[in-house]
Amino acid sequence: AQSVSQHNHHVILSEAASLELGCNYSYGGTVNLFWYVQYPGQHLQLLLKYFSGDPLVKGIKGFEAEFIKSKFSFNLRKPSVQWSDTAEYFCAVNKNSGGYQKVTFGTGTKLQVIP
Amino acid sequence: DGGITQSPKYLFRKEGQNVTLSCEQNLNHDAMYWYRQDPGQGLRLIYYSQIVNDFQKGDIAEGYSVSREKKESFPLTVTSAQKNPTAFYLCASSIEGGGSYNEQFFGPGTRLTVL
Repeated sequence: AQSVSQHNHHVILSEAASLELGCNYSYGGTVNLFWYVQYPGQHLQLLLKYFSGDPLVKGIKGFEAEFIKSKFSFNLRKPSVQWSDTAEYFCAVNKNSGGYQKVTFGTGTKLQVIP
Repeated sequence: DGGITQSPKYLFRKEGQNVTLSCEQNLNHDAMYWYRQDPGQGLRLIYYSQIVNDFQKGDIAEGYSVSREKKESFPLTVTSAQKNPTAFYLCASSIEGGGSYNEQFFGPGTRLTVL
């Protein structure tokens, strides 16, 4: 069965620190990869996505993620975090299964940025 | 404003009662989804629908039912058979469900509490 692992459940950083959140998936076929973010009190929204091409994907608010196929990974990075990045981050893998779009989410990582 | 609305925001139910959560979208999206979000477990897929009058079970469909009579509406019924219904429920939609290339747009969620 398809699964998505986020190993960091809760991360606390000071402002200006660098961030890397891990995401690994188990499915070996062609997949599309996403990072979503849920800011406190707001809807879940898309941060960035990978479909094909350049494995380094840039998203909103200075975030980027690198798809490493050999490692089944799609880690999220940001060189310098801000207090406003405090949120919960979810990795998701989207696979076309029998003509249906099947999305599996990771368990999420709560990021707390301290001013 | 285009988007997804879910109502009510908070819902209380007595044990043994069925309850229906509303989800409406005006984005003209074909595909719609229901997720359940529990602390530390991320988002788990309950049901999804690619087109009107068609829907598929997700990973945790037991104790839930859905209908898709209209493109813009995808109500979720939590039945008395659901053993642990207290949770935060999220509805989402995407442009088309057949391809694997589409991000999902999320509603604000409904928090269901069983008393």
